[in-house]
Amino acid sequence: QVQLVQSGAEVKKPGASVKVSCKASGYPFTRYFMHWVRQAPGQGLEWMGIINPSGGSTSYAQKFQGRVTMTRDTSTSTVYMELSSLRSDDTAVYYCTSGCSGGRCYPDYWGQGTLVTVSS
Amino acid sequence: QSALTQPASVSGSPGQSITISCTGTSSDVGGYNYVSWYQQHPGKAPKLMIYDVSNRPSGVSNRFSGSKSGNTASLTISGLQAEDEADYYCSSYTGSFLFGTGTKVTVL
Repeated sequence: QVQLVQSGAEVKKPGASVKVSCKASGYPFTRYFMHWVRQAPGQGLEWMGIINPSGGSTSYAQKFQGRVTMTRDTSTSTVYMELSSLRSDDTAVYYCTSGCSGGRCYPDYWGQGTLVTVSS
Repeated sequence: QSALTQPASVSGSPGQSITISCTGTSSDVGGYNYVSWYQQHPGKAPKLMIYDVSNRPSGVSNRFSGSKSGNTASLTISGLQAEDEADYYCSSYTGSFLFGTGTKVTVL
């Protein structure tokens, strides 16, 4: 079955960077685009961007342009999301999500989430 | 882009039907049939419940249905059950995802 397994919780200081991984299994890695979505404590969902595991092309939400980098390693079926210049309001659970429901390919598989805490 | 607007909370008794609204603009909800709905239980990842306004992924109960009129989309849950108590988010998927503000559904 499809599984997206994310790396563990992180605690970072303001100004630092964090790199979260998402290892996919149960399907051909390059078949589905991978999205990243985050959720601050008690808040709603926020889309960060998307990566095509096949060619590595990316598209980022305007809010994160210049601070986020999404990459992939096809040899390990893993996607990475790196966020730099961390601030306290970047404290959130970060999810990877992939799959394809419908012609527009809505992602329907989610990782378990990775809590990133930014605190001095 | 501002988040799509949802009511903060909706409640209903078991067996009843409830409807959650999701209001956007002609640039997102109103302009395309790319509305989806997600259910999220506390501490869990979201789950896709509806896509393309009214389609259900395999395995999702037919008690969940979606519709759209103008710039407002709606999710209806019929035959409300205790397990439906969760947060629900709408989204518009037009190249990027724009999510709604979220609605907490309480089963009385």
